[in-house]
Amino acid sequence: QVHLQESGPGLVKPSETLSLTCTVSGGSISSYYWSWIRQPPGKGLEWIGYIYYSGSTNSNPSLKSRVTMSVDTSKNQFSLKLSSVTAADTAVYYCARHLNQGSFDPWGQGTVVTVSS
Amino acid sequence: DIQMTQSPSSLSASVGDRVTITCRASQSISSYLNWYQQKPGKAPNLLMYAASSLQSGVSSRFSGSGSGTDFTLTISSLQPEDFATYYCQQSYSAPWTFGQGTRVEIK
Repeated sequence: QVHLQESGPGLVKPSETLSLTCTVSGGSISSYYWSWIRQPPGKGLEWIGYIYYSGSTNSNPSLKSRVTMSVDTSKNQFSLKLSSVTAADTAVYYCARHLNQGSFDPWGQGTVVTVSS
Repeated sequence: DIQMTQSPSSLSASVGDRVTITCRASQSISSYLNWYQQKPGKAPNLLMYAASSLQSGVSSRFSGSGSGTDFTLTISSLQPEDFATYYCQQSYSAPWTFGQGTRVEIK
């Protein structure tokens, strides 16, 4: 059974870069698309972007200029960098696998990232 | 971007009730519609994909229907573990977008 786990700093200063890694266990990262999704406190879900195991990416135009994603197949990991963060980027960040018809399953447990000085 | 609108935003229901949640897309998305359940402090969990296909391991009291712009999620007989927030998500075109959520509360 595939399991995803997010990791990274829980506190980031304004204007700095948020960096997160998702580690995939119980299965290979190959042959799938992998996404980042976030949820601000008390709010809904926002898709950030996806990366294919080959390294191709696509991201939400609302964040595109600030998003960088990468994949390390040797470690079964993929990563997110979000630059120039502000308080509006405070959220729970999830990683998830793309499955049938573009659905997301499974999801990681999520990691809380707070942007504050 | 395709806008997804859910109704109602919240509802109160009793155990055993039949519950229906609606999701409307701002343009046709064929059957590229997925449903998730989220409990407080937890990640969303996939319930339905492709509008009407039940994800493996999910109770058959959940069902989905619709195509084009209008979709529904139905819980045939609400159970205590079903009290949660439900989200629809379109996977027709990027950026993938979610509805604002429907909170199902205990009456």
